[in-house]
Amino acid sequence: SAVISQKPSRDICQRGTSLTIQCQVDSQVTMMFWYRQQPGQSLTLIATANQGSEATYESGFVIDKFPISRPNLTFSTLTVSNMSPEDSSIYLCSVVGDGHSYEQYFGPGTRLTVT
Amino acid sequence: RKEVEQDPGPFNVPEGATVAFNCTYSNSASQSFFWYRQDCRKEPKLLMSVYSSGNEDGRFTAQLNRASQYISLLIRDSKLSDSATYLCVVNPTSGTYKYIFGTGTRLKVLA
Repeated sequence: SAVISQKPSRDICQRGTSLTIQCQVDSQVTMMFWYRQQPGQSLTLIATANQGSEATYESGFVIDKFPISRPNLTFSTLTVSNMSPEDSSIYLCSVVGDGHSYEQYFGPGTRLTVT
Repeated sequence: RKEVEQDPGPFNVPEGATVAFNCTYSNSASQSFFWYRQDCRKEPKLLMSVYSSGNEDGRFTAQLNRASQYISLLIRDSKLSDSATYLCVVNPTSGTYKYIFGTGTRLKVLA
């Protein structure tokens, strides 16, 4: 499976500011995903990020709030804009494994606290 | 009804015990099923995919029952290191990679 890193690993931010999270993969991957895991909850898909096209957002998530970039096949960023305390979560990127198994592998996550 | 439902637990079992988790899903057209393990403050890690014929990996056995729309995970000879939250994951739409996560079942193996 691919090796995935995320930066920052954690941050504490003030409301109204924005934070950009980076996801780096050690191999080229077509599809990358961004998830959110709120405290005590399971993971929720925010959007799918494909290189060369606009990200596809899930219901309840919009580009203005969570703009995503995917400049190449090994890198993506997720920005959490105009943050509020409700955005305090762990944000994880994931990639699909090799082959056709639909298995996904996750980065270590970015723990965001908004004060 | 939630798309994917799991008993949140916690399941507290002694070392060496056998424990089973079930997970139900609502979309009968779901195609792919997985169990992930998530340790506290860590990312989910793929434990095993679940195939129609059932599959086994060491002490872990996963089964799929399409008629009743549930998947199960059996852990034999529990180890202390098995303590974690086990996430049931369903891909409800063929040809996509959209995962629906259950809320997880917490397992604590006691010495």
